Amino acid sequence: DTAVSQTPKYLVTQMGNDKSIKCEQNLGHDTMYWYKQDSKKFLKIMFSYNNKELIINETVPNRFSPKSPDKAHLNLHINSLELGDSAVYFCASSHFVGYEQYFGPGTRLTVT
Amino acid sequence: RKEVEQDPGPFNVPEGATVAFNCTYSNSASQSFFWYRQDCRKEPKLLMSVYSSGNEDGRFTAQLNRASQYISLLIRDSKLSDSATYLCVVGAGQGGADGLTFGKGTHLIIQP
Repeated sequence: DTAVSQTPKYLVTQMGNDKSIKCEQNLGHDTMYWYKQDSKKFLKIMFSYNNKELIINETVPNRFSPKSPDKAHLNLHINSLELGDSAVYFCASSHFVGYEQYFGPGTRLTVT
Repeated sequence: RKEVEQDPGPFNVPEGATVAFNCTYSNSASQSFFWYRQDCRKEPKLLMSVYSSGNEDGRFTAQLNRASQYISLLIRDSKLSDSATYLCVVGAGQGGADGLTFGKGTHLIIQP
């Protein structure tokens, strides 16, 4: 009965590879987010979707492409991975934009 | 994106003491305010929302000062389990329509 789940929890891959992270929420929320938390622990928003529509798209390389097949899912695909992409990626959801958010457990991505 | 600023600490506090953190925000149009807690290698979790009139939840009290654009968190009778990073979060834009902006967090260490 996990509220916000992400897979995989850990991802180790080589530079240049393409990988995807999946996120699902069973809270019935309308809005979902992707955040990146780097080694300095700063949590920075990357994307936000509301009812499957992209509403926030921060300055993120276009190697990162979010996809929302339905309100309950928001996936993140990353092309041509670079060393600097190593971080923890958190998915979150909220009832509406600006409301309290609930986070998934995170995906720890290591690019070697 | 407007900033949310916090003292990173660490705050080293003996068990049983009272500790307070402040956080300042720069966007005067901000409408929603929260404190989150993040344990090491875990996801951020909502601690409490912050209302204009101030609010209390057990040992935790949050206050909002719109005129000075800061929010505060007071923890009374601190426990070892309170050791964590506390994130100040502000809903940017009118009604939080621009999503949430996270501060970099204040690291709290409760010492026995």
